[in-house]
Amino acid sequence: NAGVTQTPKFRILKIGQSMTLQCTQDMNHNYMYWYRQDPGMGLKLIYYSVGAGITDKGEVPNGYNVSRSTTEDFPLRLELAAPSQTSVYFCASSLGDRVFDEQFFGPGTRLTVL
Amino acid sequence: AQKITQTQPGMFVQEKEAVTLDCTYDTSDPSYGLFWYKQPSSGEMIFLIYQGSYDQQNATEGRYSLNFQKARKSANLVISASQLGDSAMYFCAMRESMYSGGGADGLTFGKGTHLIIQP
Repeated sequence: NAGVTQTPKFRILKIGQSMTLQCTQDMNHNYMYWYRQDPGMGLKLIYYSVGAGITDKGEVPNGYNVSRSTTEDFPLRLELAAPSQTSVYFCASSLGDRVFDEQFFGPGTRLTVL
Repeated sequence: AQKITQTQPGMFVQEKEAVTLDCTYDTSDPSYGLFWYKQPSSGEMIFLIYQGSYDQQNATEGRYSLNFQKARKSANLVISASQLGDSAMYFCAMRESMYSGGGADGLTFGKGTHLIIQP
């Protein structure tokens, strides 16, 4: 079991460029999440998905898009990158939406927008 | 208002001493879960311990225990016999019930406490 994997590990983008952050989980979890972590801060929820074909906004969705065509994959798309999107991005998954359902995190993608 | 408050930005502790990391939370949901995560300098998020709002006993996991005071809305993490490898950022997080009219699913995190264990 690889758990939650993310690619790439690091990326530098120029302002206005676009990219997709990849996230895959092999635990057959229905619930998947994208968070961002700004320097010296906790994680903030960008988008989440409760199953294939169903996504919803979190606390900080502006500037991002997601899709969920399979249970395993939950890519995050950045359109027109801005310096404010410089952050570490974490993907996570959980078995369910109950309060005790642990979220399993990927290793993160460190993104710099210059 | 912040949902999760961690008032200690940084802490220095002597090796082998016990450490208490503070966390207070704010929710009107009767059903919620509290999580602690460790983030070492390598950056990954490591789950440490969980406490449910209806749990009668304080959670324990090895050297980690949770001092849960529901009436005070606090969920402090206690690390016994600290080790050099405990040096890391520690985050308190909360998950509220989706069915009580709460907002988006997912965890709400505090800003973290940077713990440094000194030899």
